[in-house]
Amino acid sequence: AQTVTQSQPEMSVQEAETVTLSCTYDTSESDYYLFWYKQPPSRQMILVIRQEAYKQQNATENRFSVNFQKAAKSFSLKISDSQLGDAAMYFCAYQGGGATNKLIFGTGTLLAVQP
Amino acid sequence: GAVVSQHPSRVICKSGTSVKIECRSLDFQATTMFWYRQFPKQSLMLMATSNEGSKATYEQGVEKDKFLINHASLTLSTLTVTSAHPEDSSFYICSAIPGALYGYTFGSGTRLTVV
Repeated sequence: AQTVTQSQPEMSVQEAETVTLSCTYDTSESDYYLFWYKQPPSRQMILVIRQEAYKQQNATENRFSVNFQKAAKSFSLKISDSQLGDAAMYFCAYQGGGATNKLIFGTGTLLAVQP
Repeated sequence: GAVVSQHPSRVICKSGTSVKIECRSLDFQATTMFWYRQFPKQSLMLMATSNEGSKATYEQGVEKDKFLINHASLTLSTLTVTSAHPEDSSFYICSAIPGALYGYTFGSGTRLTVV
């Protein structure tokens, strides 16, 4: 069975600084997708970034980028120029290769942004 | 963009009664929807996969007779918590996949309180 591990329950970053959130996963599949979701206090789940396992290039979305190491099964999220609005719970998630495969979440990292 | 609408956002019910939560895909058809449960400061736990026109697939440990799922159309899935008890109090979230190029899209969640 696939598992997703986030080893940092809480992280803190100064406004305008950079922070990296860690995620590792375990799978025997070769085709899969990885995601980072943000859950602010409103509890609405917001997609931050998505990575297809077959793509070697790391995904980027504005200030958010990932370091995808397939062999190491590592998928970290880097947030550059942190803003107060980035404060939230961040979940790493794994989806198997099928179009409707279920999403498996890590335990989450609570990110605080200090002004 | 793809939107999943979930209602109600909050509901308080008496112990022993049933509560229905609706999840609608507003601008796309969803043959599959997912229902999650989230306890405070914890991750999302998949409860069941809802399939249009067929029976839902429940995760291990989830009581299918307590959490009734109906997916009668391509845009609507409902979760009914039957004979609710205080331990059923939680945050329930639905999600769907708008298409192969998208990540999962989530509803805004329902906070259920059973008194």
